[in-house]
Amino acid sequence: NAGVMQNPRHLVRRRGQEARLRCSPMKGHSHVYWYRQLPEEGLKFMVYLQKENIIDESGMPKERFSAEFPKEGPSILRIQQVVRGDSAAYFCASSPPSSTVAGGRTKNIQYFGAGTRLSVL
Amino acid sequence: KQEVTQIPAALSVPEGENLVLNCSFTDSAIYNLQWFRQDPGKGLTSLLLIQSSQREQTSGRLNASLDKSSGRSTLYIAASQPGDSATYLCAVPYDFGNEKLTFGTGTRLTIIP
Repeated sequence: NAGVMQNPRHLVRRRGQEARLRCSPMKGHSHVYWYRQLPEEGLKFMVYLQKENIIDESGMPKERFSAEFPKEGPSILRIQQVVRGDSAAYFCASSPPSSTVAGGRTKNIQYFGAGTRLSVL
Repeated sequence: KQEVTQIPAALSVPEGENLVLNCSFTDSAIYNLQWFRQDPGKGLTSLLLIQSSQREQTSGRLNASLDKSSGRSTLYIAASQPGDSATYLCAVPYDFGNEKLTFGTGTRLTIIP
C-alpha cells in the first residue's frame, strides 16, 4: 500500500506563473488535507476536502489559491499568478473517514506526503 | 482559537541521554493529540497518537503523556541516538469530523554523538 504521493517534489516558477501541486492519497482514504509550511514557520492548515467536496477552506488565501479533489484522480492545489511569498513547502495528508471503535477511540491518523517545495523566482 | 506551543524551540543533548519535549495547548477540549517527526527536507512521520481517554502511549523508546486538564503533553525519548535528530511536532485536531490539525511550533532536536 503506497503512501501519500505528492508531485512534483520540487517546483520552480517565475512570478506570475501558475503552480499545480498534486496529491494522491493512500488507497482507501477519502479525506485530503493541505498544509503550508513557510520558511522558519510551523505548518498551517489550508484546506480540507473529501471526494468532489470542499469541507473547510478557512486556511486558504482568498485570492489566487484553489483546491479540488475530483471523483477520479489526485487532489490538486492550484496557485495562480504566484508571488515570492508563496515560496514554501506544501504538504498533503490523507486519512480514512473518522470512525469510532470499541472503547470510543477514533481512527483519524493523518498520513503525510513528502511535500512539494515551491520556489518562486 | 486553539494555540499550540512547544518549548524549547531547540535542544541539543549528548547521545544516550533521556530527554523530554513539551507541548502545551490552550483549549483543553481535545479528543486526541499527535506527535510527529520531521526530518530536514522531508515530510512528517506520525510517531504516536494519544486519545483523550488515555494518559500515556508508548512505542519503543518513545513515551507520550497527556494531561488535558493542564493543557500539556510530553514526549519522552529514552536512550537518545543520533538518528533521533529531527524536528518534533505536536498537533491537535479541530473537531470530530473535521480533523484539520493545529500544529505546535516544533522542537529541533540534535543528538550529539
